[in-house]
Amino acid sequence: GAVVSQHPSRVICKSGTSVKIECRSLDFQATTMFWYRQFPKKSLMLMATSNEGSKATYEQGVEKDKFLINHASLTLSTLTVTSAHPEDSSFYICSAMSGGNTGELFFGEGSRLTVL
Amino acid sequence: GENVEQHPSTLSVQEGDSAVIKCTYSDSASNYFPWYKQELGKRPQLIIDIRSNVGEKKDQRIAVTLNKTAKHFSLHITETQPEDSAVYFCAASPGSGYALNFGKGTSLLVTP
Repeated sequence: GAVVSQHPSRVICKSGTSVKIECRSLDFQATTMFWYRQFPKKSLMLMATSNEGSKATYEQGVEKDKFLINHASLTLSTLTVTSAHPEDSSFYICSAMSGGNTGELFFGEGSRLTVL
Repeated sequence: GENVEQHPSTLSVQEGDSAVIKCTYSDSASNYFPWYKQELGKRPQLIIDIRSNVGEKKDQRIAVTLNKTAKHFSLHITETQPEDSAVYFCAASPGSGYALNFGKGTSLLVTP
């Protein structure tokens, strides 16, 4: 199957700082990537849809100025958590479709963010 | 938007028994229904999926059934093994280009 790589896998930062998470499709081009957030023992909540070359589409309740998404190439999407606070601590997972019309999503390894 | 309900939230079975997880969805436009297995701290892994033109699909010990009229689909795991213990998520989407909407997950524990 298609491979999606996410980096970093873990990050600890201080309140008020910004953190960037990268999501790469390694063996395919992804015009669309999706960013999910997962709290402990909870489901995956869609945050935004990232489209190459255009602005991301955010789900209701997700602050676009706080969670900056950039999809500058067909293989890379980034999520920047700006001015992070402890409540932003979570597991962030990106995903992408490999093309074709299957609808199957391939997930990155996830990034665990801890804001102190 | 799509709303996916999943039951039960936890399920404990003895090794060798079967496990069944059920999901319902609300959007009649949904036509792709995957099931993911997630181990602690890991990414979700697709274990089986079904599309709206198929009523049942089987892959070894895992099967999925779909009732589009009733808008529900189920995961069946037979001859469960301890390594089947994980959190299972159902999801639904209208297909390619659309994000998946996930159920809340079922924590499956298979005891030896």
